[in-house]
Amino acid sequence: DAKTTQPTSMDCAEGRAANLPCNHSTISGNEYVYWYRQIHSQGPQYIIHGLKNNETNEMASLIITEDRKSSTLILPHATLRDTAVYYCIVPRGKSTFGDGTTLTVKP
Amino acid sequence: GAVVSQHPSRVICKSGTSVKIECRSLDFQATTMFWYRQFPKQSLMLMATSNEGSKATYEQGVEKDKFLINHASLTLSTLTVTSAHPEDSSFYICSARDWQGPQGSEKLFFGSGTQLSVL
Repeated sequence: DAKTTQPTSMDCAEGRAANLPCNHSTISGNEYVYWYRQIHSQGPQYIIHGLKNNETNEMASLIITEDRKSSTLILPHATLRDTAVYYCIVPRGKSTFGDGTTLTVKP
Repeated sequence: GAVVSQHPSRVICKSGTSVKIECRSLDFQATTMFWYRQFPKQSLMLMATSNEGSKATYEQGVEKDKFLINHASLTLSTLTVTSAHPEDSSFYICSARDWQGPQGSEKLFFGSGTQLSVL
C-alpha cells in the first residue's frame, strides 16, 4: 500500500464539523484513497473513497487536493456515535491499515 | 450496503485445540478476502490474503501452518487457528473485497470480528 500519514488523535464538539486530514504523497495516478472507521470492538466500516474529484455521500465528504497528495474527510455534523478510529488507506493489491486517527466527539 | 457475516463472534478454547472462524459475503461474490488480527489499542494487522481457488498469501511473520486459510468458494473463507495457545488470543477480523466497476475501484466490507480467548 502507499504510505499514509494521519494525526494520532483529534477532538470535535458535537454538532460541529470534524475534518480529518491524511497525507498520501506517494499515491499513483490511478490509485484511489479510501476511508474506513472502526468503532470500538467492531469490524471497520467503509465510509467513502475517491480518485481525483471531491466526493460526498450520506456519511461524509472527501476533499482531495489537486496534486492528490493529501485528502480530508469531513463529517459535517459530528455526533457522539462518530467517536471512532478513522483510517485512510491507499491499497495496492492488499489493504493494510496504519494507526489511523482516533476521533473523540465531545458533548 | 454489502454484508459480510463472520462467526463465531466470540470463542473461548483450551490451549492446544483448533478453532475455525468463518467469513461469508452474503450478497456479492468475493474473489479476494483478507484476514486481520488486532490487539487491544492497536491497528489491524494484515495476516493473509485469501484468493478463491488458490493458496492464501501470508504476510511476513505469519505462520501458514498455524493459521490455515481456505477460500473454497466465492462467498466463504475460513481461518483455522491450529493448536491454539494463549498468545494467539486476539480479535480476528475478515474482510471481503467488492470491485466497484470498470475503473477498478474497490470497497472492503468487514465482518464483525471474532474475539478469541485461549486458556
